[in-house]
Amino acid sequence: DVKVTQSSRYLVKRTGEKVFLECVQDMDHENMFWYRQDPGLGLRLIYFSYDVKMKEKGDIPEGYSVSREKKERFSLILESASTNQTSMYLCASQGGSMNTEAFFGQGTRLTVV
Amino acid sequence: GENVEQHPSTLSVQEGDSAVIKCTYSDSASNYFPWYKQELGKGPQLIIDIRSNVGEKKDQRIAVTLNKTAKHFSLHITETQPEDSAVYFCAASEVGTGFQKLVFGTGTRLLVSP
Repeated sequence: DVKVTQSSRYLVKRTGEKVFLECVQDMDHENMFWYRQDPGLGLRLIYFSYDVKMKEKGDIPEGYSVSREKKERFSLILESASTNQTSMYLCASQGGSMNTEAFFGQGTRLTVV
Repeated sequence: GENVEQHPSTLSVQEGDSAVIKCTYSDSASNYFPWYKQELGKGPQLIIDIRSNVGEKKDQRIAVTLNKTAKHFSLHITETQPEDSAVYFCAASEVGTGFQKLVFGTGTRLLVSP
């Protein structure tokens, strides 16, 4: 079974802190994604990556950056956390090309106080 | 870019009833339409998908229909059971022309009462 693992289920951080959310997949997938999930807004794409060291902005990249140094790992970075970044963050991976199914991690609920 | 609208936002049914969730999309180039189910405390999981070369697809109690002309697609769940209670997301993307990313709807919370 494909497994996408996010490093934390719950995180509480202070305003202004630098926050790292880690995601690891074990299926050698090319594509990886970071979404945030908010009530009434669905899943919004923050950043995605289609190869090691490659990254592309999604629909809401402001205040975030990403890192993909190894194929299996995709990190989301909040440079200076703010209260409006309190949300559920979901990582996903996908095989690429015609391999269309996206596999999601269990999510990280981040609270910024 | 693609925009996906999903209705209703919440849906309550009695066990055994049918449930229908509807989505519309804006980009006529989209050709792949998956549905994801998110149970409490978990990430979304693919339950069924349809490509634009077919109009309907079934898998046991769930089915998806697609109307390309009207740019809308629907999820149908028959004989609902309490374990169908979850949040359902539709999505759309264009597959086959390089990198494809999914654009999701806003989600429907389905509650099935015993």
